[in-house]
Amino acid sequence: RKEVEQDPGPFNVPEGATVAFNCTYSNSASQSFFWYRQDCRKEPKLLMSVYSSGNEDGRFTAQLNRASQYISLLIRDSKLSDSATYLCVVPSGGYQKVTFGIGTKLQVIP
Amino acid sequence: ETGVTQSPTHLIKTRGQQVTLRCSSQSGHNTVSWYQQALGQGPQFIFQYYREEENGRGNFPPRFSGLQFPNYSSELNVNALELDDSALYLCASTKALDTGELFFGEGSRLTVL
Repeated sequence: RKEVEQDPGPFNVPEGATVAFNCTYSNSASQSFFWYRQDCRKEPKLLMSVYSSGNEDGRFTAQLNRASQYISLLIRDSKLSDSATYLCVVPSGGYQKVTFGIGTKLQVIP
Repeated sequence: ETGVTQSPTHLIKTRGQQVTLRCSSQSGHNTVSWYQQALGQGPQFIFQYYREEENGRGNFPPRFSGLQFPNYSSELNVNALELDDSALYLCASTKALDTGELFFGEGSRLTVL
């Protein structure tokens, strides 16, 4: 099993739709998790942190399910500007090593 | 803008050559990590530097080496370049070891011919 697994997509959704991505991880000792957003040919930027059961920031909600070892990202009322690749990130061994998933590509369609 | 700067932004090398990539971390950040991102893949952890010492390493061969300087800037050196080394090389800085929030530079895009 890969350390961090994501569905690469693409997810093509209409404006205003709600979309959810999942990310599974293998290291049960991981305590914190992150979602990063990466626009085409740009650097990743932190979107949300998840330290306990979940986190909400406007239209974005991240949830953690420790028993099943996955985190999810929910985007409500999708905007064209949400089109990007969403990377799931799991630190391991403290923060000496950080593992990124392959990323899930989202395309919001007018 | 994150305040992390990388140079050069683009470069082309041939197989067998050596390359040095540079990174200036954000002010106040003492930890720098390097990542390799191949097309269509997520960033892969190369190594991390903390207070001028290597503090963790991913699954990369010894021809990938690095340095961190007293001002916390860093270099990534790759010897004996191979075609598969073509990728975006990302530098990220963090405030300390106890945070997973990474601040990335815009990357150096390396093409090996």
